[in-house]
Amino acid sequence: KAGVTQTPRYLIKTRGQQVTLSCSPISGHRSVSWYQQTPGQGLQFLFEYFSETQRNKGNFPGRFSGRQFSNSRSEMNVSTLELGDSALYLCASSLGSAGSSYNEQFFGPGTRLTVL
Amino acid sequence: GEDVEQSLFLSVREGDSSVINCTYTDSSSTYLYWYKQEPGAGLQLLTYIFSNMDMKQDQRLTVLLNKKDKHLSLRIADTQTGDSAIYFCAESIGGSYIPTFGRGTSLIVHP
Repeated sequence: KAGVTQTPRYLIKTRGQQVTLSCSPISGHRSVSWYQQTPGQGLQFLFEYFSETQRNKGNFPGRFSGRQFSNSRSEMNVSTLELGDSALYLCASSLGSAGSSYNEQFFGPGTRLTVL
Repeated sequence: GEDVEQSLFLSVREGDSSVINCTYTDSSSTYLYWYKQEPGAGLQLLTYIFSNMDMKQDQRLTVLLNKKDKHLSLRIADTQTGDSAIYFCAESIGGSYIPTFGRGTSLIVHP
């Protein structure tokens, strides 16, 4: 079974631009979560999508948005990039069954975004 | 303070045991996890423990949970150079399975 894939793996943008990152979950997984990883803040939860709906949201500004398609693939978008948005963006997929408190998350390798 | 705290670095000699410690603040934590991140890779779930357990063993890995002190530890027996990585402690609470992560402990194994 193929793992979680993220594209692109590396990205360089300049301040003010916008960027779209893509995540393909494991086949059969309906939940996709996004995290931002930086040396200063560690791993921070951005949002989670389940069946094309945002189900959970972290504490990030509105410049960060996402969506999920009917095939469970997800994209996240960051508009008006700032230097502080430079980070490793990780995507994780899980079965995401409602009401279950344990759903193992499988992580992709991440997209390394550098904002100049 | 942070919800999940861990020391940033641990250095051990190959063949020794490594113990990585973690403290958390929320007593309603349901699951506690240990993840491993190798350079250039995402996170890999190593093991998890349900909050009503106090110990879990899986090959070279032993997880100990002290609910009274809100302390979690991961022991790696016979540590190998391939164990060098960043180890993250995480908790999830109640019906939410979105884990809250610690900052990660960088384990360095030297010959």
